Amino acid sequence: QVQLVQSGAEVKKPGASVKVSCKVSGYTLTELSMHWVRQAPGKGLEWMGGFDPEDGETIYAQKFQGRVTMTEDTSTDTAYMELSSLRSEDTAVYYCATVLITMVRGVIITANWFDPWGQGTLVTVSS
Amino acid sequence: DIVMTQTPLSSPVTLGQPASISCRSSQSLVHSDGNTYLSWLQQRPGQPPRLLIYKISNRFSGVPDRFSGSGAGTDFTLKISRVEAEDVGVYYCMQATQFPITFGPGTKVDIK
Repeated sequence: QVQLVQSGAEVKKPGASVKVSCKVSGYTLTELSMHWVRQAPGKGLEWMGGFDPEDGETIYAQKFQGRVTMTEDTSTDTAYMELSSLRSEDTAVYYCATVLITMVRGVIITANWFDPWGQGTLVTVSS
Repeated sequence: DIVMTQTPLSSPVTLGQPASISCRSSQSLVHSDGNTYLSWLQQRPGQPPRLLIYKISNRFSGVPDRFSGSGAGTDFTLKISRVEAEDVGVYYCMQATQFPITFGPGTKVDIK
């Protein structure tokens, strides 16, 4: 069973960067496709990007292109999401969420639904 | 991008009564592999989202059988057969057929 534990809350000034971590246990990162979703206060869910195992590349939502970088450290099974040039509108809870990947006779099969989710990391951007 | 819409956006329900949420996508969610990657998530107050239903109608592990999903193509429905107090929260539909992954705006379910 996959478990995700995220890093703690952050307070940043406008223009700064933030890096949120998501530690995986129960599986290895190579068995998962990691995605990041954010939720502004009182608002809905917004997908930021995630790993596409079929192409072997990370796909970013157009809104965040150039400002977000998603990386993985497979030696520690930890994923990271870094968002730069922060503004007040980036104040939100940031979640990591996973898609399970399996290989069947050399074919990648992805369970295209998000489970589990991390507990969330509140990032507050304020001067 | 595929736009997801939900109705209603708010649903006050009497305990023990049914609830139904509709989700519509701006284009078909049938993937080239033949699957339809429409899932439903529940978010209780102060909690991260939790997977309820995947591929339209498959209940995830541990999800009570009062939750059911149905639909096809562009129209989908989540039903709660008898609402319990623990069902209060916001329900989201989500499509993962095509990038970017998109969510519906959410439907708030609370008790009358």
